[in-house]
Amino acid sequence: NAGVTQTPKFQVLKTGQSMTLQCAQDMNHNSMYWYRQDPGMGLRLIYYSASEGTTDKGEVPNGYNVSRLNKREFSLRLESAAPSQTSVYFCASSYRVLLEAFFGQGTRLTVV
Amino acid sequence: QKEVEQDPGPLSVPEGAIVSLNCTYSNSAFQYFMWYRQYSRKGPELLMYTYSSGNKEDGRFTAQVDKSSKYISLFIRDSQPSDSATYLCAMAPRGSQGNLIFGKGTKLSVKP
Repeated sequence: NAGVTQTPKFQVLKTGQSMTLQCAQDMNHNSMYWYRQDPGMGLRLIYYSASEGTTDKGEVPNGYNVSRLNKREFSLRLESAAPSQTSVYFCASSYRVLLEAFFGQGTRLTVV
Repeated sequence: QKEVEQDPGPLSVPEGAIVSLNCTYSNSAFQYFMWYRQYSRKGPELLMYTYSSGNKEDGRFTAQVDKSSKYISLFIRDSQPSDSATYLCAMAPRGSQGNLIFGKGTKLSVKP
């Protein structure tokens, strides 16, 4: 049972490049989330999907888009990467909103 | 004032000590309170989950919520070197659709 799987684990982008972070869960969870974690800032919610077919903005959505592809998969897209988006990105899922959230191992993204 | 305040530490204790970790918050609407543990370069994992006020115990871990003081605590008894990690508090108001508000985390080191 893999839980929450994120790909890639590491990525270096040049300013202006685009990329998609992939997340998949195999726990039949309804809700999925994308967070970013920065030193001194803690975890901040970028976007979430309370259930399949819905997505909503979190605290820091600017510069990002998301797609809930199906119940298992929730992707995060950076259309034009900026150095301010250098961070560790975590995907998480839960059976329902606010119940126990399981986190992936993170994607370390550097934008140069 | 941030909604959730957490002393970042670092906190260093000898093995076997009782550890007290704390968060304060300003939003009286918060009803869901959680503690996550995060090992270095890993995703957070849920330790304790409390709804509204009161205490909850799980093995060596006890979570307390004092809503009148807007203060939550996590106690670790008989601390072990394997407890060395960053501890994150998180909370959300009733009716929230998923936006957990995290503290910045307290880094704990338990010395053998």
